[in-house]
Amino acid sequence: KAGVTQTPRYLIKTRGQQVTLSCSPISGHRSVSWYQQTPGQGLQFLFEYFSETQRNKGNFPGRFSGRQFSNSRSEMNVSTLELGDSALYLCASSLGGTGGPYEQYFGPGTRLTVT
Amino acid sequence: SQKIEQNSEALNIQEGKTATLTCNYTNYSPAYLQWYRQDPGRGPVFLLLIRENEKEKRKERLKVTFDTTLKQSLFHITASQPADSATYLCALNNAGNMLTFGGGTRLMVKP
Repeated sequence: KAGVTQTPRYLIKTRGQQVTLSCSPISGHRSVSWYQQTPGQGLQFLFEYFSETQRNKGNFPGRFSGRQFSNSRSEMNVSTLELGDSALYLCASSLGGTGGPYEQYFGPGTRLTVT
Repeated sequence: SQKIEQNSEALNIQEGKTATLTCNYTNYSPAYLQWYRQDPGRGPVFLLLIRENEKEKRKERLKVTFDTTLKQSLFHITASQPADSATYLCALNNAGNMLTFGGGTRLMVKP
């Protein structure tokens, strides 16, 4: 079974630009979560999508948004990039549904650098 | 606010010994606690999940305890090997897939 894939793996952007990151979950997984990892704040939950609907949201500004498609693939978007957005962005997929929690499978991440 | 503390200093142990990592939390009553392993440049990998009504859980050389009175979880790796060297993260949640992670503890197992 193929694992979680994230594209691109590395990205360099300039302050003020926007960026879109992509995540393909494991086949059959309907839940996709996004996390931001930085040396100072560690791993922080951004949001979770299940069956194309945002189910949970972390404490991040509205510049961070996401969506999920009917095939469970997900994208996250960050608008008006700031230097502090430089981080490793991780996507995790799981079976989701009710009665969780479920084991989460993480992708390799997208390393975003904002200059 | 919710706080999860893991020893930020690296834990150095000799191969063959038991490694014990600690996860303490405050202002939180999680129903579940999970442990993940993360290697440099990679995403975390799920290891074990323990529920609030479970005191202990084992998987091969791994053992996790969950004390909701002390608000603490201990993660043990017996007969440690250099390949066990990594950062170990504890994560708490109450339902669904929204995890709150600790800062992680780096384990170094020396041959």
